[in-house]
Amino acid sequence: DQQVKQNSPSLSVQEGRISILNCDYTNSMFDYFLWYKKYPAEGPTFLISISSIKDKNEDGRFTVFLNKSAKHLSLHIVPSQPGDSAVYFCAASDNYGQNFVFGPGTRLSVLP
Amino acid sequence: DTGVSQNPRHKITKRGQNVTFRCDPISEHNRLYWYRQTLGQGPEFLTYFQNEAQLEKSRLLSDRFSAERPKGSFSTLEIQRTEQGDSAMYLCASAGGNTIYFGEGSWLTVV
Repeated sequence: DQQVKQNSPSLSVQEGRISILNCDYTNSMFDYFLWYKKYPAEGPTFLISISSIKDKNEDGRFTVFLNKSAKHLSLHIVPSQPGDSAVYFCAASDNYGQNFVFGPGTRLSVLP
Repeated sequence: DTGVSQNPRHKITKRGQNVTFRCDPISEHNRLYWYRQTLGQGPEFLTYFQNEAQLEKSRLLSDRFSAERPKGSFSTLEIQRTEQGDSAMYLCASAGGNTIYFGEGSWLTVV
């Protein structure tokens, strides 16, 4: 049973528009959430995170929103750039940080 | 470069051979993780160390897999009697706080 779900395997957006990537989780013990970006043949790169005590965290063009009651988070990228084309993974951990559980990823294509 | 370092980056081996991967974490990080990733999937947790103690192992980690972190610094992941299903990217990550940072991965192809 997948504890972290990313139901959209792929997403295409035009350059300059907003990209919204979604993630759902089932384990109510998760209280820290992260987004990673991955290019082919490279390891995932940390992008942004959010603690469950917040509902929004922003870093430049990247904003993560958390709806704890719905067990849902989203990553907004605005404006989207062609260099943002990659696979994006959502991850969640509990308070002890012993295990980080990853979703299956969403492939984002930003079209020029 | 003070990031997580993994080697070798690529390994092609014949079925039945043993392979070993090495990971050097970020120096001040006391937690080290091994994950496996196959095409179209997210990273799957394999095992976790806090300093030299292996605190958790996934049921994915069969008895052919063994990981060590003898001095609480670098770690090795050994796969014995490799099978074609072991072909994947093996990712190492380290953490000092709430965020884990990955290395570039070690690709294993079993032929």
